[in-house]
Amino acid sequence: EVQLVQSGAEVKKPGESLRISCKGSGYRFTTYWISWVRQMPGKGLEWMGRIDPSDSETNYSPSFQGHVTISADKSISTAYLQWSSLKASDTAMYYCGRGDYSFDSWGQGTLVTVSS
Amino acid sequence: SYELTQPPSVSVSPGQTASITCSGDKLGDKYVCWYQQKTGQSPVLVIYEDDKRPSGIPERISGSNSGSTATLTISGTQTIDEADYYCQAWDSSAGVFGGGTKLTVL
Repeated sequence: EVQLVQSGAEVKKPGESLRISCKGSGYRFTTYWISWVRQMPGKGLEWMGRIDPSDSETNYSPSFQGHVTISADKSISTAYLQWSSLKASDTAMYYCGRGDYSFDSWGQGTLVTVSS
Repeated sequence: SYELTQPPSVSVSPGQTASITCSGDKLGDKYVCWYQQKTGQSPVLVIYEDDKRPSGIPERISGSNSGSTATLTISGTQTIDEADYYCQAWDSSAGVFGGGTKLTVL
């Protein structure tokens, strides 16, 4: 069974750094891109960027380029989304999704709350 | 940047057909997929490559894409279909989601 399991909820202060994770299992992790998707409270889905775990090639949405970093460690089948300096506006649910063009499997989501 | 436009809400009576549109410049030249998201849950892929259904998705859910509009159609709508629906496409190497449509079955 294909599964993407994300790390747990985080509560951070503005200016702090954070890295959340998405671990794939049940398939060859290097075969499919992994995307990250943001959903702010009560809002829609926003594609942030993606990574090819086989060679760590990345693509970013212009809206998120420079604000987050996507990485992966194929040896442990895990993709990451990280911030160097969080803002209150980063408060949201973050999902990872598997797929090159459509996302056929999703993580359970990681809720990130940024508040002073 | 590329944009996909969906109606914020669609209402349908049980047993009737619901149609949710997604518009974008020359969208028919791109592959479109659709996701269903119920409250408090992760999205689920219901249509990919315009009109293909993943395993486990009922035949009453279908998709089409032509010109500048893609359409998700749910026939014989049931209360379990009540959810938010999002279209998604790619513009070069960037993914784009529509704003989402809340489907109400009443």
